[in-house]
Amino acid sequence: SQKIEQNSEALNIQEGKTATLTCNYTNYSPAYLQWYRQDPGRGPVFLLLIRENEKEKRKERLKVTFDTTLKQSLFHITASQPADSATYLCALAYSSASKIIFGSGTRLSIRP
Amino acid sequence: DAGVIQSPRHEVTEMGQEVTLRCKPISGHNSLFWYRQTMMRGLELLIYFNNNVPIDDSGMPEDRFSAKMPNASFSTLKIQPSEPRDSAVYFCASSARQGDYEQYFGPGTRLTVT
Repeated sequence: SQKIEQNSEALNIQEGKTATLTCNYTNYSPAYLQWYRQDPGRGPVFLLLIRENEKEKRKERLKVTFDTTLKQSLFHITASQPADSATYLCALAYSSASKIIFGSGTRLSIRP
Repeated sequence: DAGVIQSPRHEVTEMGQEVTLRCKPISGHNSLFWYRQTMMRGLELLIYFNNNVPIDDSGMPEDRFSAKMPNASFSTLKIQPSEPRDSAVYFCASSARQGDYEQYFGPGTRLTVT
């Protein structure tokens, strides 16, 4: 069965640095990947979606890459701020008709 | 728009009791999802609906769990009888259509079964 691994349970970095989170999957490539942010006590909030024929997507300080050879997506936050501290979840689906599967998340802490 | 609305926000019940969780999706959204989140298992999809029709319920853990969507603006997730291992945060989410569309999550219902 498909597995999604978000390599780090927790990541601590200094404010102003670039945070890079990893999402690896097994088996065949998904049709698309999504990244969500979750704050304590709240539901996940959608950030970015990238499709299998796209290599990179950007939104303000956020960037997502999708490497089907490595079976990996990277999520970058540039010029990180303490307000970026949260848990980040990756999710994937194999087609528009299939269900979406979430990874276990990476808890990111940005220290001032 | 008020976003996805879930009720109750917190539910504490005794083992064996029936629990009903409620969800109102965003108006105009055609797909609705029920998730369960625990520390051990993360965020798991239980069931999802498209145009009020259940599409995939393979994530529903047992027959004790059932979900309905009688109309486009309301869905319920019922657990009968509840057990302590059902304790979790249950999220409802909706999206404009099934497929590569962002999901909007509700605030969740924290369920504790004693």
